[in-house]
Amino acid sequence: GAVVSQHPSRVICKSGTSVKIECRSLDFQATTMFWYRQFPKQSLMLMATSNEGSKATYEQGVEKDKFLINHASLTLSTLTVTSAHPEDSSFYICSASNGVDSGEQYFGPGTRLTVT
Amino acid sequence: RKEVEQDPGPFNVPEGATVAFNCTYSNSASQSFFWYRQDCRKEPKLLMSVYSSGNEDGRFTAQLNRASQYISLLIRDSKLSDSATYLCVVAPVRQKVTFGIGTKLQVIP
Repeated sequence: GAVVSQHPSRVICKSGTSVKIECRSLDFQATTMFWYRQFPKQSLMLMATSNEGSKATYEQGVEKDKFLINHASLTLSTLTVTSAHPEDSSFYICSASNGVDSGEQYFGPGTRLTVT
Repeated sequence: RKEVEQDPGPFNVPEGATVAFNCTYSNSASQSFFWYRQDCRKEPKLLMSVYSSGNEDGRFTAQLNRASQYISLLIRDSKLSDSATYLCVVAPVRQKVTFGIGTKLQVIP
């Protein structure tokens, strides 16, 4: 399967600071990238969908000014959690799709964010 | 009714057993179906697609029942390494993909 990397894998930050997470598709061009959040013992929750070169589409309840998404190229998308708070602590996972079938997604290894 | 429903389990089965999971979906316009596997504190990995005609890959068989709107995953001869959470994914055409909560499988020696 395709390879997607995510960096960093783990980050601890203080409340009020911003954190940037990078998602890269290493061996294919990802026309669409997805950002998910998963709280313990819960299902993956889609936060936003981003297509290269256009604004991300956010799911209901996800603040676009707090979770900034940039999809500048076909291989890179970034998620910036601005002014992080303890309730933002979660497992953030990106995935990439070549656009042919959005259900076939390749996931990054995830970033575990802890806000103290 | 939830868009995608799965029994969270856990399903505790002995090694070598056959186990099956179902996943029901509410959107009859759904076109694509997948099973993903997620190990504890790791990212989901695509296990297999589910086609109308069914799909078999080694010990794993996935089937789709459009009339009753469910997909199933059958695992034969369970191995300890099969222990994981199995996520059902439903993708209506041009709409967002929906993940089920996952069914936890624990294979016991």
